[in-house]
Amino acid sequence: AQTVTQSQPEMSVQEAETVTLSCTYDTSESDYYLFWYKQPPSRQMILVIRQEAYKQQNATENRFSVNFQKAAKSFSLKISDSQLGDAAMYFCAYRSVNNDMRFGAGTRLTVKP
Amino acid sequence: NAGVTQTPKFRILKIGQSMTLQCTQDMNHNYMYWYRQDPGMGLKLIYYSVGAGITDKGEVPNGYNVSRSTTEDFPLRLELAAPSQTSVYFCASSSLSLADTQYFGPGTRLTVL
Repeated sequence: AQTVTQSQPEMSVQEAETVTLSCTYDTSESDYYLFWYKQPPSRQMILVIRQEAYKQQNATENRFSVNFQKAAKSFSLKISDSQLGDAAMYFCAYRSVNNDMRFGAGTRLTVKP
Repeated sequence: NAGVTQTPKFRILKIGQSMTLQCTQDMNHNYMYWYRQDPGMGLKLIYYSVGAGITDKGEVPNGYNVSRSTTEDFPLRLELAAPSQTSVYFCASSSLSLADTQYFGPGTRLTVL
């Protein structure tokens, strides 16, 4: 079964600085989808960014970008120019072509003013 | 559009009681999902459905049942509640594209005493 590992339970970043959250996964599949979700204290799950495994180009969404290393099974999230509103739990997620979803345990990001 | 709605928002059950968590989406999505999130953890997939009349087990299906009689509704049934089922339950839906995000409901906080 696929597993998703987030090795950083907590991270901290100064406002306006850059932070990188790590995610690794284990799979024997060649085609799949990867996501980063943000969960603020409201509990609402919000999509941050997505990556299709067959695409070599790393996805970017404004201040958010990923470093997707398929051979290493690594999918890290970089947040540039961090803002106070970025403070939240961040979850890495893997979606198989059979629609099975696996989430990591999450990284709590604190943004210091 | 309301998106994904869940009822109730909170519930306390006694051991051995049963209940149904309701989930409705108004986006005409084929895929629907049920997750549980234990404190400080990521989401774990309980069941999912690819359309009316079709359901599949996820990572942690024991103790739960689902049905999908319409595109809009995907109720989750807890039989003989146990303290281990104390969790926050999220319903989600998505389109047929596996690259598309899942849209999450606000969650139901369930406590079993």
